[in-house]
Amino acid sequence: GAVVSQHPSRVICKSGTSVKIECRSLDFQATTMFWYRQFPKQSLMLMATSNEGSKATYEQGVEKDKFLINHASLTLSTLTVTSAHPEDSSFYICACLDRDRLETQYFGPGTRLLVL
Amino acid sequence: AQKITQTQPGMFVQEKEAVTLDCTYDTSDPSYGLFWYKQPSSGEMIFLIYQGSYDQQNATEGRYSLNFQKARKSANLVISASQLGDSAMYFCAMREGGNTGNQFYFGTGTSLTVIP
Repeated sequence: GAVVSQHPSRVICKSGTSVKIECRSLDFQATTMFWYRQFPKQSLMLMATSNEGSKATYEQGVEKDKFLINHASLTLSTLTVTSAHPEDSSFYICACLDRDRLETQYFGPGTRLLVL
Repeated sequence: AQKITQTQPGMFVQEKEAVTLDCTYDTSDPSYGLFWYKQPSSGEMIFLIYQGSYDQQNATEGRYSLNFQKARKSANLVISASQLGDSAMYFCAMREGGNTGNQFYFGTGTSLTVIP
């Protein structure tokens, strides 16, 4: 199946710092990528849809200035959590849309962010 | 209304037995796709199986099969010959709109525990 990597897998940072998370599709091109946030024992919450070469589309309630998304190539999207605060601590997971495989979303392994 | 409903927050199954995880969906779009994902404790979302709304036969992938009942709008996942490694969260998801629809709607998940 399609392979998606995500780095870092775990990050601990101080309040006020910015954290960048990378999502890469390794064996296919992904014109569309998604960023989700997941709280413990809950389902995935879509934060934004990222299209290569254009601005991301954010879901209602997600601050675009706080969660910066860049999709600069067909295999890479980044999510930057700016001026992170403890309430931003969560599990962030990206997904890449594979149009050649039944429009399936393939997920990265996720990033656990802890803001102290 | 919820797009995807999973009514079983937790399920238990004996090793080597079969188990059915329920999923119902709500859409007025004639073209849609249904997906099941497995999320072990590591956090990664693993794609299991896909069913298209126009598919005549139920999808199967190894020990996974999808019991697709279109009139009832249900897409239950059947896992045969359960293994200890099947213990995980399972999410049902739907994509509307055929090739133009990108957003996935996720259910709240079912936690499956396989008992030795």
